[in-house]
Amino acid sequence: QVHLQESGPGLVKPSETLSLTCTVSDTSISTYSWSWIRQPAGKGLEWIGRIYTSGITNYNPSLKSRVTMSVDTSKNQFSLKLSAVTAADTAVYYCASEEYDSLTGYSHAPDWGQGTLVTVSS
Amino acid sequence: AIQLTQSPSSLSASVGDSVTITCRASQGISSNLAWYQQKPGKAPKLLIYDAASLQSGVPSRFSGSGSGTDFTLSISSLQPEDFATYYCQQFNSYSWTFGQGTKVDFK
Repeated sequence: QVHLQESGPGLVKPSETLSLTCTVSDTSISTYSWSWIRQPAGKGLEWIGRIYTSGITNYNPSLKSRVTMSVDTSKNQFSLKLSAVTAADTAVYYCASEEYDSLTGYSHAPDWGQGTLVTVSS
Repeated sequence: AIQLTQSPSSLSASVGDSVTITCRASQGISSNLAWYQQKPGKAPKLLIYDAASLQSGVPSRFSGSGSGTDFTLSISSLQPEDFATYYCQQFNSYSWTFGQGTKVDFK
């Protein structure tokens, strides 16, 4: 089983940039692609985007203008930056592995980090 | 973007009941659908992928079916640990989307 651990500041000021890192253990980061998902308190899940170890990214169109993802294969880590945050970005942020079947085009998330709460407030 | 609509939004059930949750896609997605279980304060857990494949370690009382636009998650003989919120998820045009969730609580 793959283990993932999110880390980063729990409090970010409005208009600033949220930065989180996900550390992957028990597998090489080259094995899968990797996603970020968030969940505001009491609400549903929102996919933020994915990164491949090649560095190619796909972002949620609704967040694309503010999102940047990167990967550091030497550290088995990948990262999320979300700029110009507002209170609406307050949420639990999860990182997750992604299994993709190139024959069927199907994709799902077998492993998740425990999540980290990020609050946007001055 | 493809939308997923789950029904019902919540349901009340008792231990031993059989439960069915529906997920409808706004356009056909073949069998490209997964189901997750989430308990309060915890990360989602993958139950079903490819619409009907049981994830390793998940009890066989969970099953999934459907293709195209209509999908179901069934739980036979509900157990105390099954009271949770369930989400469907699809992948299309490089994006994931999730249903809004179905909360299963005690009757």
